[in-house]
Amino acid sequence: ETGVTQSPTHLIKTRGQQVTLRCSSQSGHNTVSWYQQALGQGPQFIFQYYREEENGRGNFPPRFSGLQFPNYSSELNVNALELDDSALYLCASRPGSANTGELFFGEGSRLTVL
Amino acid sequence: KQEVTQIPAALSVPEGENLVLNCSFTDSAIYNLQWFRQDPGKGLTSLLLIQSSQREQTSGRLNASLDKSSGRSTLYIAASQPGDSATYLCAPLISGGYNKLIFGAGTRLAVHP
Repeated sequence: ETGVTQSPTHLIKTRGQQVTLRCSSQSGHNTVSWYQQALGQGPQFIFQYYREEENGRGNFPPRFSGLQFPNYSSELNVNALELDDSALYLCASRPGSANTGELFFGEGSRLTVL
Repeated sequence: KQEVTQIPAALSVPEGENLVLNCSFTDSAIYNLQWFRQDPGKGLTSLLLIQSSQREQTSGRLNASLDKSSGRSTLYIAASQPGDSATYLCAPLISGGYNKLIFGAGTRLAVHP
């Protein structure tokens, strides 16, 4: 039990639509990161939030955006969905004061784009 | 640019064998390295975290070593069991103004009775 919960677990969208994925972290985990994992590959870093501000971004276009809220929940939004966005999206968190500490992952949201 | 390679890509062994999973990374400037387990279609479960100043870390039948200068880490699994079947991922934590994990593609392990 990592204390990181994600919803929905599975969803299907069509190309061009928009999607919002949600994550709830443990109390005190001020840093949240989002990763994309395509089938058969390792996760790729999308972005990271610390105390509601984005403080790091991987090689993903601006149609991938996020929000972090004071209650340790966060969102990943993807606009104008493309077929290649089909993947497992993973949320991870760590205590904010330990920016080199252990990262805890949720079970992920499996997105299929048709 | 940090690149992570895991060898072998897949491994199938009989129950009871001791296993060695290898991870190499190209940039030795890391804060720490985490090993994860991933069951099919599931999220990541953290197994071990080794700080850059440490040489090894143990948890039960698992032992991970780290040689930062040569860019290598190894995960040893003793007396493997069918329940160990999963994909194992290694991920060094790097900095570029913020900290992020860089993952390898993983080693897919199957332990058969």
